[in-house]
Amino acid sequence: DAKTTQPTSMDCAEGRAANLPCNHSTISGNEYVYWYRQIHSQGPQYIIHGLKNNETNEMASLIITEDRKSSTLILPHATLRDTAVYYCIVRVERLGGGADGLTFGKGTHLIIQP
Amino acid sequence: KAGVTQTPRYLIKTRGQQVTLSCSPISGHRSVSWYQQTPGQGLQFLFEYFSETQRNKGNFPGRFSGRQFSNSRSEMNVSTLELGDSALYLCASSLEGGRARNEQFFGPGTRLTVL
Repeated sequence: DAKTTQPTSMDCAEGRAANLPCNHSTISGNEYVYWYRQIHSQGPQYIIHGLKNNETNEMASLIITEDRKSSTLILPHATLRDTAVYYCIVRVERLGGGADGLTFGKGTHLIIQP
Repeated sequence: KAGVTQTPRYLIKTRGQQVTLSCSPISGHRSVSWYQQTPGQGLQFLFEYFSETQRNKGNFPGRFSGRQFSNSRSEMNVSTLELGDSALYLCASSLEGGRARNEQFFGPGTRLTVL
């Protein structure tokens, strides 16, 4: 699976949009981009995923560049409860079903400032 | 719908002992994956079970094993515990099992401390 690169930490003011970048320059055509977050002492929480097109759900938006080498997770109106470690993961869907487990890097520690 | 549940939430064992952790996936989910999280190594994939069969495996020694029952509940066993096995063990379930389009839902974890 492709590796990802994320900033170690970011700050964002409460109420503003938080934009978290992720580089995945070696991504291949059958790899999806996933975002998870982990709030301290809890299990990771799925946020959103995409293949090529931009995606939006009730939690966030995912913008994937046309060449798919990078993506940005957008939390439109960050709150203090969004303070967490955010993981960008690329994961292949293998023929016949089955995929290796999620490979978590170090992620980005997002701190929402009041 | 109830989320992924893990029992026990906290466990203290001594070196050399063995431990069994339990995971109940979300109703209807047939895939269960296990992860180990430590401050030094981060989140690492242990193995995945689907339809009672281990389908994928991470890079962990044979002391770590698991199984899945017909109701999709899964157990993970660690034998001959070492101090380095102290970690948060997370279970995740997904609907279709392994296919990248299907997100994984994580439980709260079992915090294992080995003394």
